[in-house]
Amino acid sequence: GESVGLHLPTLSVQEGDNSIINCAYSNSASDYFIWYKQESGKGPQFIIDIRSNMDKRQGQRVTVLLNKTVKHLSLQIAATQPGDSAVYFCAEKNNAGNMLTFGGGTRLMVKP
Amino acid sequence: KAGVTQTPRYLIKTRGQQVTLSCSPISGHRSVSWYQQTPGQGLQFLFEYFSETQRNKGNFPGRFSGRQFSNSRSEMNVSTLELGDSALYLCASGDNNDYGYTFGSGTRLTVV
Repeated sequence: GESVGLHLPTLSVQEGDNSIINCAYSNSASDYFIWYKQESGKGPQFIIDIRSNMDKRQGQRVTVLLNKTVKHLSLQIAATQPGDSAVYFCAEKNNAGNMLTFGGGTRLMVKP
Repeated sequence: KAGVTQTPRYLIKTRGQQVTLSCSPISGHRSVSWYQQTPGQGLQFLFEYFSETQRNKGNFPGRFSGRQFSNSRSEMNVSTLELGDSALYLCASGDNNDYGYTFGSGTRLTVV
């Protein structure tokens, strides 16, 4: 499959454990944030989003936390499964334009 | 609902040639954005079209251009191809509020 990053930071977790993936964003004017999952050979897949007027949002097995003070975003995956193995990207959007600025990505590897 | 369709999936071109990539957004979506993904630079915004008008443009040379048709389908063109243009080109489809972006599987362009 395609390589989405040759030198990505890697998080290795045991199946069933919780995973936390972190992201530092750059623009304090960003008002919307998204986490994407990208598997080999596929485009980024939407996981969860959060607007800047919130600091936490939960989905199914996933939680996103936003700390605007330090411009930090995290994705928590509960009970990580082998199917969660992928590269995860955070993306930010500001109201000055409809473009996403992506972080460098983190590779999550789940050990059975 | 059909997803975002990008064609072709794979393409090999020679330096100096030009290439046209196609993207059909989700039915009813009028926003189409293009991104370039490389191992070295990650995901970078190229441009965004909405109702046949370019609304935003990233920092790419003029060799990269695009357009959108009345049925919201979009094409991007790269002229005078360089080896460094080898990348996965991704198209993202958005609704009128432009807060949810759905990506296609991309076109893998290899320039030799």
